[in-house]
Amino acid sequence: EPEVTQTPSHQVTQMGQEVILRCVPISNHLYFYWYRQILGQKVEFLVSFYNNEISEKSEIFDDQFSVERPDGSNFTLKIRSTKLEDSAMYFCASTQKGPSTEQYFGPGTRLTVT
Amino acid sequence: QKEVEQDPGPLSVPEGAIVSLNCTYSNSAFQYFMWYRQYSRKGPELLMYTYSSGNKEDGRFTAQVDKSSKYISLFIRDSQPSDSATYLCAMSGRGSQGNLIFGKGTKLSVKP
Repeated sequence: EPEVTQTPSHQVTQMGQEVILRCVPISNHLYFYWYRQILGQKVEFLVSFYNNEISEKSEIFDDQFSVERPDGSNFTLKIRSTKLEDSAMYFCASTQKGPSTEQYFGPGTRLTVT
Repeated sequence: QKEVEQDPGPLSVPEGAIVSLNCTYSNSAFQYFMWYRQYSRKGPELLMYTYSSGNKEDGRFTAQVDKSSKYISLFIRDSQPSDSATYLCAMSGRGSQGNLIFGKGTKLSVKP
């Protein structure tokens, strides 16, 4: 069964460094998302992406964040200058049929900022 | 008032029990409702998707949506130790670009 994959599974970085989290959505899906989950807290929406542009973003998704679909398979989240409070699990998700249909999540990248 | 409220538990039941998990919400625009299962430090796994009100059944799982009460439920029949996980409700509204609003999750433990 097709699944969303994410790399790396765990990333440790120093405060102020740039990180890129990578996702490969399910191949025939068209809508892509990033969420984050701080330990012990809710899963929070960051951004949705369709047709090579951002369709919606949350207040969390400020100028330090960017997303890109550099080729036909990868979907990336970049954090330009990481802060301690960016430490969280980051999940990529994708859907096939439209923005309000079933979203399938990847296993996540655990980001630790020291 | 929080948009989506979910009792965090923990909820502990014996194997074979029927489990009832619930969420309430405040935004009447929500129309799309999902239940996810999340094992520790893993990604949410989609269990059930429901549009608007009504019931949906899939194997041992039944999802119910009562929009008039702004209340959704997930029932698990014949619960198994492998069902032990955190269960998240999530929802989005008409016109949304897929922004899912999640509950905090209910931690379920099924004892053999």
